[in-house]
Amino acid sequence: GQNIDQPTEMTATEGAIVQINCTYQTSGFNGLFWYQQHAGEAPTFLSYNVLDGLEEKGRFSSFLSRSKGYSYLLLKELQMKDSASYLCAVRDSNYQLIWGAGTKLIIKP
Amino acid sequence: EPEVTQTPSHQVTQMGQEVILRCVPISNHLYFYWYRQILGQKVEFLVSFYNNEISEKSEIFDDQFSVERPDGSNFTLKIRSTKLEDSAMYFCASSSGGEWETQYFGPGTRLLVL
Repeated sequence: GQNIDQPTEMTATEGAIVQINCTYQTSGFNGLFWYQQHAGEAPTFLSYNVLDGLEEKGRFSSFLSRSKGYSYLLLKELQMKDSASYLCAVRDSNYQLIWGAGTKLIIKP
Repeated sequence: EPEVTQTPSHQVTQMGQEVILRCVPISNHLYFYWYRQILGQKVEFLVSFYNNEISEKSEIFDDQFSVERPDGSNFTLKIRSTKLEDSAMYFCASSSGGEWETQYFGPGTRLLVL
């Protein structure tokens, strides 16, 4: 079966750095996405990796290792508004997005 | 910035009734999707639609569900006879196509079946 694992919840301090990990086992791989979802709202796109390595976009970076089935999302200079769930999703061989359950990130002052 | 819109934002219906959820994808996008998210659970893929036909569907998307693009802008999800377990947030998404394109999500319709 297809499986995406992320920690359920993480806590970090405002101004700090946090790394959210994602491991996946899917039938085929056509890219990995990170989305942010505030409670009761739609997921919003953060980043996309299809090749190994680090993609940087401002305060957010995402890393992929296809051989290890592993990705992480790195958030720097945390702000209170970063409190949200972070969803890892992998596009499989049928180009369907398979979603992780999300990591709820709690930012404390 | 163009965005996906969905109506209604909330829908309450009685079990067994039909509901139609509406979406207006981003205008130059070619691929359309429906997802659902039961409260507190993960996002689940329902169906993808391209060139006026379903391209992929999940096990959840059974005979009770159908999708349609009745005109050049709207994309609808119909649930023929709603069940209690259909209560969820339903998200529409669209992408411009191509292998590496990102899906952009609408704000969702919260469906409550009583």
